Amino acid sequence: DVKVTQSSRYLVKRTGEKVFLECVQDMDHENMFWYRQDPGLGLRLIYFSYDVKMKEKGDIPEGYSVSREKKERFSLILESASTNQTSMYLCASRAISYEQYFGPGTRLTVT
Amino acid sequence: QKEVEQNSGPLSVPEGAIASLNCTYSDRGSQSFFWYRQYSGKSPELIMSIYSNGDKEDGRFTAQLNKASQYVSLLIRDSQPSDSATYLCAVNNFGNEKLTFGTGTRLTIIP
Repeated sequence: DVKVTQSSRYLVKRTGEKVFLECVQDMDHENMFWYRQDPGLGLRLIYFSYDVKMKEKGDIPEGYSVSREKKERFSLILESASTNQTSMYLCASRAISYEQYFGPGTRLTVT
Repeated sequence: QKEVEQNSGPLSVPEGAIASLNCTYSDRGSQSFFWYRQYSGKSPELIMSIYSNGDKEDGRFTAQLNKASQYVSLLIRDSQPSDSATYLCAVNNFGNEKLTFGTGTRLTIIP
């Protein structure tokens, strides 16, 4: 079974803080993704990575950056958290068959 | 026009009946199709993948794909209260690393 884990289920941060969200997969997948999900807006792709140290912007990359130093680990960084970044953040890992498997999600609240 | 469209619902179905969820997509080059189930407050869980025209059955779930008409559907037989969730349709175009998600259909099974 594919296992994708995320570092925190719930996180509360203050405006202006630097926030790190970490995702780890155990299936040796090359492709990993970060989404955010908001009511009424669905899943929106922030960034994805198709190999170590390789990354591409998704649909809403502004205010975010990513890091992939090891194949199994993909981190999302909020450089200076703002209240409009309060959301559910979902990491996914992609199999060669294009199936994406999601981690449990991190519900981030920025106050 | 949205790339992947789903009726947002809510769709209410009596327990034991067949629930039918539909999804249309705009890109004729789409090759891979997926259904995810998402319980409230949880992350999406992959329940079906389909790659060729026709039906694919897995337990109580049947995915149906018609590429000529550009739609994919999910049938849930003998619906159970535990099937109450939001169902997301996702589509991939060959060579594209990303999935395009619909906004989901909320399904409620009425005991």
